[in-house]
Amino acid sequence: AQSVTQLDSHVSVSEGTPVLLRCNYSSSYSPSLFWYVQHPNKGLQLLLKYTSAATLVKGINGFEAEFKKSETSFHLTKPSAHMSDAAEYFCVVSERGQNFVFGPGTRLSVLP
Amino acid sequence: GAVVSQHPSRVICKSGTSVKIECRSLDFQATTMFWYRQFPKQSLMLMATSNEGSKATYEQGVEKDKFLINHASLTLSTLTVTSAHPEDSSFYICSARDASGRTGYTDTQYFGPGTRLTVL
Repeated sequence: AQSVTQLDSHVSVSEGTPVLLRCNYSSSYSPSLFWYVQHPNKGLQLLLKYTSAATLVKGINGFEAEFKKSETSFHLTKPSAHMSDAAEYFCVVSERGQNFVFGPGTRLSVLP
Repeated sequence: GAVVSQHPSRVICKSGTSVKIECRSLDFQATTMFWYRQFPKQSLMLMATSNEGSKATYEQGVEKDKFLINHASLTLSTLTVTSAHPEDSSFYICSARDASGRTGYTDTQYFGPGTRLTVL
């Protein structure tokens, strides 16, 4: 069975500084990996998805994530945080297109 | 593309009444839709998987007679909370999986904006 760990429940950065949100997963098969963002009282928006084609995945709003099989990680990064990036971020793993398994989420705060 | 809508966005009802929530995929066909529940400051919990034209598959601990799911077409699934009680108050989110491939991904779930249910 697959599982997801998000190592930080809360990350706080200053506007204009880099963002790093960590995600580690376990899977018996080659997984699909996703990052979603949720703003307060809103649904989830897909930021990016890992396919087997490229280990460095670029998403929307300047986010990207790197799939590292040896480290079973899929960390989310952004070079420069913006105030509008403040939200909850979920790392998700899926095996063979089946049910999603969500991480517990990381709340990102961006300070002015 | 890949837009999922939910209606209503917010509902307040009295204890004992039933509430229906609609989930629609607006620009793609979804053979499979999912219903999640989210408590404040927590992650999403999968309640059930809804397949078009067949019975929904419920996760362990979810009462199928209380949370009725109907997936009558490739673009619509409904969740009915029957005889709602205050403990059913929560944020309900649906998602749809693209079966047609128009969005580029056939195994990605696209999420609706959620429905805030408050039972008095």
